[in-house]
Amino acid sequence: DIQLTQSPSFLSASVGDGVSISCRTSQGIRSYLAWFQQKPGKAPKLLIYGTSTLQSGVPSRFSGSGSGTEFTLTISSLQPEDFATYYCQQLNSYPLTFGGGTKVEIK
Amino acid sequence: EVQLVESGGGLVQPGGSLRLSCAASGFTFSDHYMDWVRQAPGKGLEWVGRSRNKVHSYTTEYAASVKGRFTVSRDDSKNSLYLQMNSLISEDTAVYYCARVLPSGTADDLWGRGTLVTVSS
Repeated sequence: DIQLTQSPSFLSASVGDGVSISCRTSQGIRSYLAWFQQKPGKAPKLLIYGTSTLQSGVPSRFSGSGSGTEFTLTISSLQPEDFATYYCQQLNSYPLTFGGGTKVEIK
Repeated sequence: EVQLVESGGGLVQPGGSLRLSCAASGFTFSDHYMDWVRQAPGKGLEWVGRSRNKVHSYTTEYAASVKGRFTVSRDDSKNSLYLQMNSLISEDTAVYYCARVLPSGTADDLWGRGTLVTVSS
């Protein structure tokens, strides 16, 4: 199985800050990486797929990059509604797997 | 409205069975692969299984943790996805989400609100 390691697990930041979340995979996954945002009590929301394609309706302050085994989600300027938990997921091979999550909280 | 609505969750004893349903509306259900994803209380996301579409013979894939105990199926005539769960254990306690897979297979783009399954005596 492909393991996904997200870092940091917890991130404290202020409104307006730029932040980056890393997702490292145990094997190469080509570009088959997605990023989700989840708020308490809600279903996950797709932000990015195919490493860097922004899902329709998602603000352009979100971006994804990377290749091989190293991937990054960047939020250019945190907004109050961005405080949530973020997950990466690989869809290169079965079983599909998620990272452990990164909780972004208000400083 | 484009949506997925799960149902069928509840309290079940260890060793018991439960069948979850996911009703799709507002899109052509039969075109899409569909996934089940779960989330134990206070934990992260875990992919459970996938149903491919008719073009790919409705074949399925499973996580190792549920293989042999859970079965994903679908009825395109009813725009519905199912998860039959047998031999349930406490570790299966979670919110179960159904999700629509993008045609490219590169992500789940539409999720239901989830249904809670609690396995406890």
